[in-house]
Amino acid sequence: GQQLNQSPQSMFIQEGEDVSMNCTSSSIFNTWLWYKQDPGEGPVLLIALYKAGELTSNGRLTAQFGITRKDSFLNISASIPSDVGIYFCAGRRTSGSRLTFGEGTQLTVNP
Amino acid sequence: SQTIHQWPATLVQPVGSPLSLECTVEGTSNPNLYWYRQAAGRGLQLLFYSVGIGQISSEVPQNLSASRPQDRQFILSSKKLLLSDSGFYLCAWSPATGLSYEQYFGPGTRLTVT
Repeated sequence: GQQLNQSPQSMFIQEGEDVSMNCTSSSIFNTWLWYKQDPGEGPVLLIALYKAGELTSNGRLTAQFGITRKDSFLNISASIPSDVGIYFCAGRRTSGSRLTFGEGTQLTVNP
Repeated sequence: SQTIHQWPATLVQPVGSPLSLECTVEGTSNPNLYWYRQAAGRGLQLLFYSVGIGQISSEVPQNLSASRPQDRQFILSSKKLLLSDSGFYLCAWSPATGLSYEQYFGPGTRLTVT
């Protein structure tokens, strides 16, 4: 079945550092979404990407739709303690509305 | 604006007991609706999705079932819970039309089967 490989699985960084994470697949996706989940809550949509090569920002977050359509990247600049959480990528293939989710990146920010 | 509700927020049930989790969406019509399960805070497993009233697609064979009795209501049920049914259950919705495939999640229900 479809699989998304999300890396790294976890990150421990100092406040103020930049963060990069990515998702890759052997299949082509037409949509990439990035979510953040705080403990005990539902995931919140951060950024949606619809075109290969697209680069979209949301505050300190920037995400890119890979040119091959098989990957996506999320960068967080100047991290702060409230960035702590699990970040998920999700992709949609050619038809239907179902999404495939990555396993998540657990981000810890030390003050 | 659209909002999505789930209840209960937490639930502790004994093995063999029935289950009913409810999800409702406000502020939109004919949404696509989804039930996911998340174990140990990682990885979302799609359980069911629905594109309309009475239309349910199951992604994995299991002890659970879903129903959509009204346009904006989605229910997850079980006749007899198993220990392995414990987890964090998330409901989500997405617009039925247009080019947006973004899914929006509810606050979740934490189920513990004892």
